[in-house]
Order: sequence, then C-alpha cells, then structure tokens
Amino acid sequence: SQQGEEDPQALSIQEGENATMNCSYKTSINNLQWYRQNSGRGLVHLILIRSNEREKHSGRLRVTLDTSKKSSSLLITASRAADTASYFCATDDLTGTASKLTFGTGTRLQVTL
Amino acid sequence: DAGITQSPRHKVTETGTPVTLRCHQTENHRYMYWYRQDPGHGLRLIHYSYGVKDTDKGEVSDGYSVSRSKTEDFLLTLESATSSQTSVYFCAISEGSGGYTFGSGTRLTVV
Repeated sequence: SQQGEEDPQALSIQEGENATMNCSYKTSINNLQWYRQNSGRGLVHLILIRSNEREKHSGRLRVTLDTSKKSSSLLITASRAADTASYFCATDDLTGTASKLTFGTGTRLQVTL
Repeated sequence: DAGITQSPRHKVTETGTPVTLRCHQTENHRYMYWYRQDPGHGLRLIHYSYGVKDTDKGEVSDGYSVSRSKTEDFLLTLESATSSQTSVYFCAISEGSGGYTFGSGTRLTVV
C-alpha cells in the first residue's frame, strides 16, 4: 500500500532554529496532511495541502507540495521546546468510497533550550 | 480530544479472548476510522466506516471486525486476541474532505 516516508527519522535542534521535515509518497493523491503527536497522546492535525496547491502557511508552519516529485516538506520556523514531538505526513489517495489516510513512520523532533 | 472518546484507555487481556474497543463521537461526523500504531510502522488503517452499517477493510484488517449501529459509536472487536495485536489503537473521525480528529488511544496488551 502507499505510504509516506519521512526524512529524517529523528531531528535535534536548538530553540529558535528552524526544523525541516520531508515526506515522499508513491501514488497520486487528493491531499497531503501533517500531524503532530506528543508522547503518549493522540495525533493532532496541523495542516492540509491539496494536490493543486504548492505551498501553504499556518502560523509558524510552512508546507510545500511537489506532485511531480511526489514529495512534501514541513518547515517549523523559530522552534520552541513545546514543538518537541513526532510529526507524521499522511496521504489521502484517490481510490475507494471514502477518504482514507495512509501515514508515514514519522520524524521525531527534539527541541532543546 | 474534544468530541471523541475511546474506551478503555488501557487493557490487558489473555491470548484467545475476545476484546472490544469502543469509539464514541459527539461531532456527528460521517466517517470513522480505527488505526493501530506500532514502533517502526507508523499508523496503519484497520477498518473504517462511511456511514451507519457501512464499513470496509483497511490495510491490516485480519483478525479484526467492526460494527457501527449508530452514527456516534464505532466498535472494534478482536475476535481472538493474539500477542501480535498488542498495540496502541486510535480511533479517528472526519467529515470527509479535511483533517482527522483523533482520540487519545487505547493501549492494549495481549499476554
């Protein structure tokens, strides 16, 4: 099945720096979404970018999508200790009777003071 | 998360016993999903529902069944639990065209 692959698997930065995570996927998509998961908690939706969009912003988040390369990136600017979490990309493909998200394995982000 | 609750939060069960996990929503969303999360695999879709009594299989449906008799409830049943089903199970809801809202998860241990 299609799966998003995040890169890097783990990232450690200092507070105030920018964090960039990448996601690659395999087949055509309807949209791509990014989620955050704090340790031991459920996933929280961050941002959705549709297949006809190339860039989207939400606060300190910037997402890009390149459908020709089947890749996306999530940029977190001016990171804070509270941004420490795992980040997942998820693709919503074009098949079937319903939206179904396929998740990657995630990037673990550590932001230190 | 607001509008979606999972029960129980933790459960330990013995191999071979049936187990039912419950997901309850107050958002009246049409779509509901069950995922499992395991180290190295991310989240994998087990089953999903696109309406009352309308369900379909996901990527890892073997050994699981679901039921949705009301809009607000989506039940996941492990017919005969095995150690490979030890995992964290997440329920999610969606209106269909946007992001999902996830529950807090159920940590299931099969001994």
